[in-house]
Amino acid sequence: QSVLTQPPSASGTPGQRVTISCSGSSSNIGSNTVNWYQQLPGTAPKLFIYTNNQRPSGVPDRFSGSKSGTSASLAISGLQSEDEADYYCAAWDDSLNGWVFGGGTKLTVL
Amino acid sequence: EVQLVESGGGLVQPGRSLRLSCAASGFTFDEYAMHWVRQAPGKGLEWVSGISWNSGSIGYADSVKGRFTVSRDNAKNSLYLQMNSLRAEDTALYFCAKGSSGYFVMYYFDYWGQGTLVTVSS
Repeated sequence: QSVLTQPPSASGTPGQRVTISCSGSSSNIGSNTVNWYQQLPGTAPKLFIYTNNQRPSGVPDRFSGSKSGTSASLAISGLQSEDEADYYCAAWDDSLNGWVFGGGTKLTVL
Repeated sequence: EVQLVESGGGLVQPGRSLRLSCAASGFTFDEYAMHWVRQAPGKGLEWVSGISWNSGSIGYADSVKGRFTVSRDNAKNSLYLQMNSLRAEDTALYFCAKGSSGYFVMYYFDYWGQGTLVTVSS
């Protein structure tokens, strides 16, 4: 069981907006920043959003991150087939003294 | 270009040991924290261990504490993971990841290697 909770799956049609949630607690998301990683099938994870809402160079501005209290979200607008991947949220946990991940959300473009 | 190349994985019997290596290039290795993150087959990501730029601060997940030891050799631009008393549940793809600062606490992992597969089975 992952410390951060994500829905196992999400889906949408091309052009739609989709949101992936990540729920935590006061010891992780509630007191630290959230990062998101994208993992395409058969590849290594890639940093996609850092410090709650910052995009590394090369990540389209269709992707945005937000955080409120003990929850965070990754929003994807103008959904494209190339966005099909697994998405993981992560944060530092002050109680566990370690990094914690969500279980991952598999995004399908219908 | 940042490159992280893991090696040392393989098939090992329960209770035995294995040492993973990660060769880094394309950045000033001794300025950044490094991490090991693993992914069991068909499962999600799990942080295993982190080490600060100068090895002065080290952390482990509870699931590996007392069995795994992380280390680094800044002169060789290399990160290591000594894994002892291996269990079936340690079977996973082990990724080496670069921290975005010199300390493994907080911030984020900005580059990842392709991983090395460890299979623990009799």
